[in-house]
Amino acid sequence: AQSVTQLGSHVSVSEGALVLLRCNYSSSVPPYLFWYVQYPNQGLQLLLKYTSAATLVKGINGFEAEFKKSETSFHLTKPSAHMSDAAEYFCAVLGGSNYKLTFGKGTLLTVNP
Amino acid sequence: GAGVSQSPSNKVTEKGKDVELRCDPISGHTALYWYRQSLGQGLEFLIYFQGNSAPDKSGLPSDRFSAERTGGSVSTLTIQRTQQEDSAVYLCASSLFLNPSYNEQFFGPGTRLTVL
Repeated sequence: AQSVTQLGSHVSVSEGALVLLRCNYSSSVPPYLFWYVQYPNQGLQLLLKYTSAATLVKGINGFEAEFKKSETSFHLTKPSAHMSDAAEYFCAVLGGSNYKLTFGKGTLLTVNP
Repeated sequence: GAGVSQSPSNKVTEKGKDVELRCDPISGHTALYWYRQSLGQGLEFLIYFQGNSAPDKSGLPSDRFSAERTGGSVSTLTIQRTQQEDSAVYLCASSLFLNPSYNEQFFGPGTRLTVL
């Protein structure tokens, strides 16, 4: 069985500051991991994905995430937050089923001017 | 089309009524998924289709929920005798293959269902 834990339901940063959104996973098989972003009243947009090719994954909008097997983590980072980054972020794992995404509860990112 | 589309974008219904939610996947995508997003439960998997068949319906919350896909394209999620706890955003996604490396799921904007 797969599960995802996102630490912090709400993260607030200042514009220009580092963004760090935490995700820990549990999977009985080597996982495929995803970060999605959801803007208000919109669907989910894929930011980046880990599919075992490289542990450091770069995504859109300057985001990146590092897969750490020893820590079962896949934290999302961005060096400098922008106002347009304000949204809800979801970490998800695609485990043994190969089709069923299991999502974390989400982290709402607020960016203050 | 350019992306996954869903209709209606918003649906308000009365308790006990039936509703149909529609999803148009990206052209050529063989796999289609329905998820539900609610305040209490977060994002939950409901069902997935490979072509017109649904190998996994395990996420459907009750027998009031059903879904079909015709022609390997459009899918309809039907909720019979709606209850207030059915109020949620229903998200549809599609993907090109089931190979995990290619199984990037593209999501539609969702249908917000409100049951009064």
